[in-house]
Amino acid sequence: AQSVTQLGSHVSVSEGALVLLRCNYSSSVPPYLFWYVQYPNQGLQLLLKYTSAATLVKGINGFEAEFKKSETSFHLTKPSAHMSDAAEYFCAFLTGTASKLTFGTGTRLQVTL
Amino acid sequence: GAGVSQTPSNKVTEKGKYVELRCDPISGHTALYWYRQSLGQGPEFLIYFQGTGAADDSGLPNDRFFAVRPEGSVSTLKIQRTERGDSAVYLCASSPGPHTGELFFGEGSRLTVL
Repeated sequence: AQSVTQLGSHVSVSEGALVLLRCNYSSSVPPYLFWYVQYPNQGLQLLLKYTSAATLVKGINGFEAEFKKSETSFHLTKPSAHMSDAAEYFCAFLTGTASKLTFGTGTRLQVTL
Repeated sequence: GAGVSQTPSNKVTEKGKYVELRCDPISGHTALYWYRQSLGQGPEFLIYFQGTGAADDSGLPNDRFFAVRPEGSVSTLKIQRTERGDSAVYLCASSPGPHTGELFFGEGSRLTVL
C-alpha cells in the first residue's frame, strides 16, 4: 500500500541550527510529494511540493526538500532554524490517479534559544 | 479575508445529538475536501467534492457521516447520532482544481462529544 512515514514525532533544535525532518514514502509508482506546515491555531499551509520536474525543491520560509528515489525519501531541511519555525510539519503524497492527499502522522518541531 | 472559512470553530455536543459543520471555500475553487484530525495524528481524508458531486467519499467512516455541496460552493458535513469517538478537529480545504495536491485549508472546527 502507498504511504508516507515520518520518522520522529518530535524534533527539537536550537535557534540557528540545521533543521532536518524525515519523510520516507512507499509507492510502486513515483508519487507527488508535499510538505505542509501547521502553525499554532492556524490552518495547514503548503510549504513545497515535488512533481518530478526537479529533485531539489525550494519552498517558502527558507525550507527545501530533496527527492531521492534510491532512498525513497523526501526529507525537509532548513539551514538555520528560527523561533518562528516552531510548528507541526506533515509530509503527504498524491498518486497520479488520485485526487486526495494522504498525510503522514506529523513531526512537531520545537526551536529553543 | 479570502481564505477558507469554517464554522463553528468550536462545537460541544452530547452523545447521540446531530451536528452540522459548515465550510465556505475560496471563491472559484471547484474542488473541496473534508479531513478529520485527531490529537497527535495527521489529517485523515473523509470526502472530496468536484463541483456539486462527491467524487470520492471513501473516507467517510460510516453512514452516520454525510456531506453535501448543493451549489458547488459552500459545503456542510453532517454527523448523526454523534459518538465520543467522533471528537476531533474537522478540516475543510479547497483547491482550484483536482489532482494538484495544493490545498488551502481552513482553521478547522473542533468537535467535542461529551
